Amino acid sequence: ELKVEQNPLFLSMQEGKNYTIYCNYSTTSDRLYWYRQDPGKSLESLFVLLSNGAVKQEGRLMASLDTKARLSTLHITAAVHDLSATYFCAVGYNNNDMRFGAGTRLTVKP
Amino acid sequence: NAGVMQNPRHLVRRRGQEARLRCSPMKGHSHVYWYRQLPEEGLKFMVYLQKENIIDESGMPKERFSAEFPKEGPSILRIQQVVRGDSAAYFCASSLTQQDEAFFGQGTRLTVV
Repeated sequence: ELKVEQNPLFLSMQEGKNYTIYCNYSTTSDRLYWYRQDPGKSLESLFVLLSNGAVKQEGRLMASLDTKARLSTLHITAAVHDLSATYFCAVGYNNNDMRFGAGTRLTVKP
Repeated sequence: NAGVMQNPRHLVRRRGQEARLRCSPMKGHSHVYWYRQLPEEGLKFMVYLQKENIIDESGMPKERFSAEFPKEGPSILRIQQVVRGDSAAYFCASSLTQQDEAFFGQGTRLTVV
């Protein structure tokens, strides 16, 4: 059974600071996804990572994947208030099932 | 191209009633996934369907829950004899193929009173 662990679960940052969210998973997978969810809303796809060493960047967010270590990171650069949300990683499992981490609730303070 | 459409957005049911949640995938998508999200928690996989077939239902409770994706029409998640513990947000996602990313609907928030 695939287990997906995210940490930290809660993250409070000052604007302008950098931080990294970690996503570890327990069995081999070739697909990893990052999603953003605002309160009461659906999930917005941020990144799809399909190969070892993949790195993708969009604005202040950068995601990477190390399939050998079974680790993905979501790095936040110079945080701004608009980034406040819950961020989920999800790992591809079997027939494109996804198993989600518990989520990291990010609050960016002025 | 409309996104994944779920309805209703909000559903209130009394204990013992049936709840029917509908999901219309994106145009051309034949893979549908249902997830449940309890308050303050992550998403839990329930079932994966591909037109007329259930591929993986390992996340579905053994009783009262069923899902279908008929040849014509939306996918339906049905919960019979609802209980308070069924209150949650239910999200549907669809993808073009097994390898493509899945896109999520807005969710149906079920409240059992």
